[in-house]
Amino acid sequence: EDKVVQSPLSLVVHEGDTVTLNCSYEVTNFRSLLWYKQEKKAPTFLFMLTSSGIEKKSGRLSSILDKKELFSILNITATQTGDSAVYLCAVGGDTDKLIFGTGTRLQVFP
Amino acid sequence: DARVTQTPRHKVTEMGQEVTMRCQPILGHNTVFWYRQTMMQGLELLAYFRNRAPLDDSGMPKDRFSAEMPDATLATLKIQPSEPRDSAVYFCASGFWQGWGNSPLHFGNGTRLTVT
Repeated sequence: EDKVVQSPLSLVVHEGDTVTLNCSYEVTNFRSLLWYKQEKKAPTFLFMLTSSGIEKKSGRLSSILDKKELFSILNITATQTGDSAVYLCAVGGDTDKLIFGTGTRLQVFP
Repeated sequence: DARVTQTPRHKVTEMGQEVTMRCQPILGHNTVFWYRQTMMQGLELLAYFRNRAPLDDSGMPKDRFSAEMPDATLATLKIQPSEPRDSAVYFCASGFWQGWGNSPLHFGNGTRLTVT
């Protein structure tokens, strides 16, 4: 059965800290891994990763995929209070379904 | 800015009543997903459609849930009869699949359902 596991479940940091969020997966015929940020409402898309070792970067956020070890990390440097959210990882395989992990809740305090 | 539109935003109903949630996907998107989100289970996939055809609804309780796409601009999720355990936020998401891989899904703001 396809599975996505995220860790830690929650994280509390101070502004300026750097955080690393983890996502491990098991999926039949992996196609892509996606990261989303969810604040109060809809998840919003951050990154899609399909190839190992190629870093995707957007401002202070970056992500990389390891298809051999079946995991991805999402890094946020110099965190700000606006980064407080639930970060969701999702994986797609040959069924075209996107399976989501339960998320990591990040709280950034001033 | 194109977005997925869901109605209603909130719905409170009594156990046993029928609930219908609606979704307008982004114009041009050919794939529509329905997810349910609870604190305990996270985002669970209920059903999805490609070019209006249902591809998988194995995540839905078949006896009470039904999902349809009467046209390319409307997807519906119906619960009849509703139960308190159906209380959750229901998200619709759309994307454009080209057959060779996934593309990012764009989510609506969800329908928060409370069944008393």
